[in-house]
Amino acid sequence: GQQLNQSPQSMFIQEGEDVSMNCTSSSIFNTWLWYKQDPGEGPVLLIALYKAGELTSNGRLTAQFGITRKDSFLNISASIPSDVGIYFCAGPPDSNYQLIWGAGTKLIIKP
Amino acid sequence: DVKVTQSSRYLVKRTGEKVFLECVQDMDHENMFWYRQDPGLGLRLIYFSYDVKMKEKGDIPEGYSVSREKKERFSLILESASTNQTSMYLCASSLSFLGTRPTDTQYFGPGTRLTVL
Repeated sequence: GQQLNQSPQSMFIQEGEDVSMNCTSSSIFNTWLWYKQDPGEGPVLLIALYKAGELTSNGRLTAQFGITRKDSFLNISASIPSDVGIYFCAGPPDSNYQLIWGAGTKLIIKP
Repeated sequence: DVKVTQSSRYLVKRTGEKVFLECVQDMDHENMFWYRQDPGLGLRLIYFSYDVKMKEKGDIPEGYSVSREKKERFSLILESASTNQTSMYLCASSLSFLGTRPTDTQYFGPGTRLTVL
C-alpha cells in the first residue's frame, strides 16, 4: 500500500534544543496532519495543513505543507520534558480516500 | 470532554484463544476504527465502520473480525490468537470519515497492549 516516510525514527535531544522532523511521500497529499502520542495514550491531533506552502503554528510547534504536496515538516522550538512522545504524520493521498500514517518519530529528552 | 474508552489496557492471552477487544465512544460519532501500532510501522488500519452493522476491511484485516451492533460500541475479535498478533491496538472514532479538521478529528482511546503467548 501507499506509505509515508517519516524521519528521523527517533531523536535524543537536550532540553531547550529545537527539533525538526519530516514526512515524505511518492504521492500527492491534499491534507497533512501531525499527531502526538504521549506515553500510554492514544494520538492527539496537533496541527492540520490544507494547502501547499501553508505554515501553521500551535504554540512552540510549527508545521509546513511542502510546495510539491509530497512532504511536510514539523518543528518544535525550545523543547521541554513534556514534549517527549511519538509524533506521527498522516494524511489522505489525493488518489485514496483513507488516512495513511507515517511510522512515527520518537522524541526522547536527555536529562 | 470527548471520550473513547477501551476495555483493557493490558491483556495476556494464549495462542488459539478467542480474544475480544471492546471500544466505546460517547460522542455519537458515525465512524469508528481499529488500528494496530507496531514500532517502526506506525498505525495500520485493521477495520473500520461508518454506521451500525456496517464494516469495511482496512489494510491488514487477516486474522481479525469486527462487530458494531450499537453506534457507540465497536469490537475487535481475534478468532484464534497467534503470537504475531502481539501488539498495541488503538480504537478511534470521528464524525466524518477522514476526520481531518481540528473540530472533526479522529479521537483515540488509550490503547490495549495485547500479548499472545
